[in-house]
Amino acid sequence: DGGITQSPKYLFRKEGQNVTLSCEQNLNHDAMYWYRQDPGQGLRLIYYSQIVNDFQKGDIAEGYSVSREKKESFPLTVTSAQKNPTAFYLCASSTQDRGTIYEQYFGPGTRLTVT
Amino acid sequence: KQEVTQIPAALSVPEGENLVLNCSFTDSAIYNLQWFRQDPGKGLTSLLLIQSSQREQTSGRLNASLDKSSGRSTLYIAASQPGDSATYLCAVRGSGTYKYIFGTGTRLKVLA
Repeated sequence: DGGITQSPKYLFRKEGQNVTLSCEQNLNHDAMYWYRQDPGQGLRLIYYSQIVNDFQKGDIAEGYSVSREKKESFPLTVTSAQKNPTAFYLCASSTQDRGTIYEQYFGPGTRLTVT
Repeated sequence: KQEVTQIPAALSVPEGENLVLNCSFTDSAIYNLQWFRQDPGKGLTSLLLIQSSQREQTSGRLNASLDKSSGRSTLYIAASQPGDSATYLCAVRGSGTYKYIFGTGTRLKVLA
């Protein structure tokens, strides 16, 4: 089955701890994205990566970090510098080939609670 | 800066009714527009994608239209069912960018 997996589904952490969220895709997509979703708000882009070993900040990158060492994987680290880390985090991917329709596909999400 | 708006924020209809969800965007220079469905606590499921050169796309009971000049897209759901209850989001990808801008969604409830 082709798709995007995110783990864990639920994550609980104490304030001041860094935490890493996993995102893996087997769709052979070049581009991957991390979004944050808060109640009553749309998805906000944290980071995106168009290709291995390259990534760009989105609209709300402060307090987050990413890496893209493999095409299939795009982990997100929520650092202690993120002031309001409790949220639902969604990973997505899309093709980047010229002439394709660039449809985005999403993983099931990770709900992070920091107390 | 592209902004995407979805109105209404919530909608409740009786089963069997045909309904229209709206999505507006401020910058008409888009590459495509994608409609998603999100069930509570779940990820997003792609419903329809319309490229900037297209006027509409259909899948089963769903029809999405795009009017770039007026900055609007509509998602038409025919013969609604309780299983259609979910939040529907639209997202726009701008020309020359890899970023998608999302609306805040319309929360739909179809009553049996």
